[in-house]
Amino acid sequence: ILNVEQSPQSLHVQEGDSTNFTCSFPSSNFYALHWYRWETAKSPEALFVMTLNGDEKKKGRISATLNTKEGYSYLYIKGSQPEDSATYLCAFSNNAGNMLTFGGGTRLMVKP
Amino acid sequence: DGGITQSPKYLFRKEGQNVTLSCEQNLNHDAMYWYRQDPGQGLRLIYYSQIVNDFQKGDIAEGYSVSREKKESFPLTVTSAQKNPTAFYLCASSIDGTDRYEQYFGPGTRLTVT
Repeated sequence: ILNVEQSPQSLHVQEGDSTNFTCSFPSSNFYALHWYRWETAKSPEALFVMTLNGDEKKKGRISATLNTKEGYSYLYIKGSQPEDSATYLCAFSNNAGNMLTFGGGTRLMVKP
Repeated sequence: DGGITQSPKYLFRKEGQNVTLSCEQNLNHDAMYWYRQDPGQGLRLIYYSQIVNDFQKGDIAEGYSVSREKKESFPLTVTSAQKNPTAFYLCASSIDGTDRYEQYFGPGTRLTVT
């Protein structure tokens, strides 16, 4: 079983703050890294799928970077809003065999 | 609307009974997955299927069984052999069997076994 770690486990920020959190994964045999947002009482929704070292992806105020050689990805949220409150999950794959391994998630709470 | 449906949302069973959780998708996706979430833990893969009539065990398949007789359906049976069945169960699908495409998730079923 692969080890995918996310930090911090939880984070409280004020509205307007920018924030970032980390996903660490094994640096060997990288295939893909996924980020999902999971709001309370809803289904997880994909944010990004990243496959190349150095990938940077952006969706509105949310962006992500990927370093496959050192085994980490950062997720950034610029100017956090209360609607950004959710658990953010990353998931790692080291092959094309449908075995995404999820991290434990970072729970973000944005106070108005 | 395209998506994934899971039913029921809440399910209660007595210990020793088998129970089947439903998962249906109308996205025309080839691959489907079952995950389990326990408090304080990430999603763990139970079973997955890349194509009709084929499925593979995930990390925690013991005590579970699945079938994939139709492309749109991937039911999960929690058997009496599963030692800790109480959990939140999520079904997902993706376009194909690689991990280069996002997964789409259903709303989940919370199973409580007493």
